[in-house]
Amino acid sequence: SQTIHQWPATLVQPVGSPLSLECTVEGTSNPNLYWYRQAAGRGLQLLFYSVGIGQISSEVPQNLSASRPQDRQFILSSKKLLLSDSGFYLCAWSVGDREINTEAFFGQGTRLTVV
Amino acid sequence: AQKVTQAQTEISVVEKEDVTLDCVYETRDTTYYLFWYKQPPSGELVFLIRRNSFDEQNEISGRYSWNFQKSTSSFNFTITASQVVDSAVYFCALSNQAGTALIFGKGTTLSVSS
Repeated sequence: SQTIHQWPATLVQPVGSPLSLECTVEGTSNPNLYWYRQAAGRGLQLLFYSVGIGQISSEVPQNLSASRPQDRQFILSSKKLLLSDSGFYLCAWSVGDREINTEAFFGQGTRLTVV
Repeated sequence: AQKVTQAQTEISVVEKEDVTLDCVYETRDTTYYLFWYKQPPSGELVFLIRRNSFDEQNEISGRYSWNFQKSTSSFNFTITASQVVDSAVYFCALSNQAGTALIFGKGTTLSVSS
């Protein structure tokens, strides 16, 4: 069965510090991978998605970046965090089949607080 | 442009009441997919249902049912005989093409009291 791992679960970082959140998927090959952010009291905002290694699409301009160094690994990074980067970050995957769109499965999320 | 609107920000009901969560979507594509997710207090999103644009049959799964109406661009979710464990944030989502990401509504917070 497929599983998705996301860590850390919680993180408190000072303004201006770097960020690295990691997400890995097991039990599937060539998944579509996603990073979403959920700000307090708001919906989910798509940040990045990837349909393959090294292929990253950015949905919202910001000081965050994403990378996919391996098929089932997706990393969210920042060189210098801003207060506005605080939120709940969710990684997700879906079957990488271009003929059929499928549901996405989410990790348990990382609650980031920038202080 | 694609958009999902969940007009109800918060709903409070008492156990055993039925409750309907509204979802209205906008898309220009003829092929699209609609989803509902549940986010309990733990934070993880739990997939509930997927529906494609060519299948307008309503679906029932236990106490959950979904009403898809293309004529009104709506995909509403009803919980029958609600329970305290149903308390969560519920998200409706839309996807237009294979390989692209889901676009979520802002969610409806459902509180069920005993």
